[in-house]
Amino acid sequence: GESVGLHLPTLSVQEGDNSIINCAYSNSASDYFIWYKQESGKGPQFIIDIRSNMDKRQGQRVTVLLNKTVKHLSLQIAATQPGDSAVYFCAEGSRGFQKLVFGTGTRLLVSP
Amino acid sequence: KAGVTQTPRYLIKTRGQQVTLSCSPISGHRSVSWYQQTPGQGLQFLFEYFSETQRNKGNFPGRFSGRQFSNSRSEMNVSTLELGDSALYLCASSRHDAGGYGYGYTFGSGTRLTVV
Repeated sequence: GESVGLHLPTLSVQEGDNSIINCAYSNSASDYFIWYKQESGKGPQFIIDIRSNMDKRQGQRVTVLLNKTVKHLSLQIAATQPGDSAVYFCAEGSRGFQKLVFGTGTRLLVSP
Repeated sequence: KAGVTQTPRYLIKTRGQQVTLSCSPISGHRSVSWYQQTPGQGLQFLFEYFSETQRNKGNFPGRFSGRQFSNSRSEMNVSTLELGDSALYLCASSRHDAGGYGYGYTFGSGTRLTVV
């Protein structure tokens, strides 16, 4: 079935490092991608999105890269802070289907 | 600008009972979708509503149903609760561009349902 997967279930970094979280998606028809951050006891928080007509988009301290050739998505967090510790999900959607398919999530642990 | 509001935040029900969860979307958002989150299955799509019409439904049994009102507020109902229905139920609202393309899905804090 359709799925969105992550390569690393847990990523541990030091404060100030740059973090890269990866995601592989399987539906080549997906044309919209979102990264979410979820802290314990809270709903997913929107970080950044990208449409398939782009290969890179930047936000505040975050960059999303999309490689449609290999169906790969990544989230780069610059100067990672302890407050960035959370579970990060990638999600994919497509114009024809009004739903998001989520990956399994990556836990980011930031040590001071 | 108020976010997506879900009520109640926590709920404990007994097997066999039914439950209704509520979601108020961000003002101006006409689409509301529901997701179930469990440790074992992750985030799974339940259904999506736009202008009071269900446009898409996930692979859940008929015990799971929903509706959307004219003010875009949405409710979901689970009948004949089972232990396996214990989960965090999340609602998301989204904007749509001129082509009907949803974007900017914003989630509420969820309703934590425990079935005992």
